[in-house]
Amino acid sequence: GAGVSQSPSNKVTEKGKDVELRCDPISGHTALYWYRQSLGQGLEFLIYFQGNSAPDKSGLPSDRFSAERTGGSVSTLTIQRTQQEDSAVYLCASSYRTGANSPLHFGNGTRLTVT
Amino acid sequence: GNSVTQMEGPVTLSEEAFLTINCTYTATGYPSLFWYVQYPGEGLQLLLKATKADDKGSNKGFEATYRKETTSFHLEKGSVQVSDSAVYFCALEGSNYKLTFGKGTLLTVNP
Repeated sequence: GAGVSQSPSNKVTEKGKDVELRCDPISGHTALYWYRQSLGQGLEFLIYFQGNSAPDKSGLPSDRFSAERTGGSVSTLTIQRTQQEDSAVYLCASSYRTGANSPLHFGNGTRLTVT
Repeated sequence: GNSVTQMEGPVTLSEEAFLTINCTYTATGYPSLFWYVQYPGEGLQLLLKATKADDKGSNKGFEATYRKETTSFHLEKGSVQVSDSAVYFCALEGSNYKLTFGKGTLLTVNP
C-alpha cells in the first residue's frame, strides 16, 4: 500500500517568506510525527500528534513554527518568516499507534532551502 | 532529558569486514531502543529494535543487544556487503513515545 507521502519534495524560498509543508500519513495511522534532519545534526524532534489528544509541541524551535493535523489525517507544518537556519530536510512519520511494537514509517522528506 | 550518542562516521569498510557502530544512551525509566537505516535516496526505515534489557534485536544479518548496565545498543554485522552502504541511526523511545535519534553514522562498503 501507499507509504507516507510528503509534498513538495523540494522547496526553495526567500528569507522572510512563509512556507507550508504537507504530510499524508498511512491510512489508519493515529500517530504522526515531524522531525527535522540537518547535516551533522541527526534528527531533531519537532512535534507529535496522537489521535485527538493535544499535540506535543515541545520540539518546535520557535513560535515561527506551527503544525496542525486535520481530521486526524493530513498534517501541515508551517514556518513563518523563514530564516536561513531553517534550511533542512523536514521528515514526517506515522505509526499505527504509539509504542515500540508499532514502528514509525517515514516519508522521503521535504528539502527546504532558504536563500 | 533523553539523549543518544552514536559513533560518528564516516565508516568505510571492505566487503565481508566486521562492522560495529557504537551507540550509548541516557534516559529515565526503561526506554525501547532502535536502529533505523536510510539507504541512498530512500526514507528512513526500521532495521531492528529491542524493548527490554538483554533483548537482542536482529534483521538482515545485523544484531544489537540492549545492555542496561552499560546503557548501550551497539550495532554489529559479521560480514558487510556493498548493499549495506547507508546512514544508520540509533534511537530510543521514552515513556512519552517520542523517538530521540543519534546524529547518524554513514557507512560505505567498498567491493
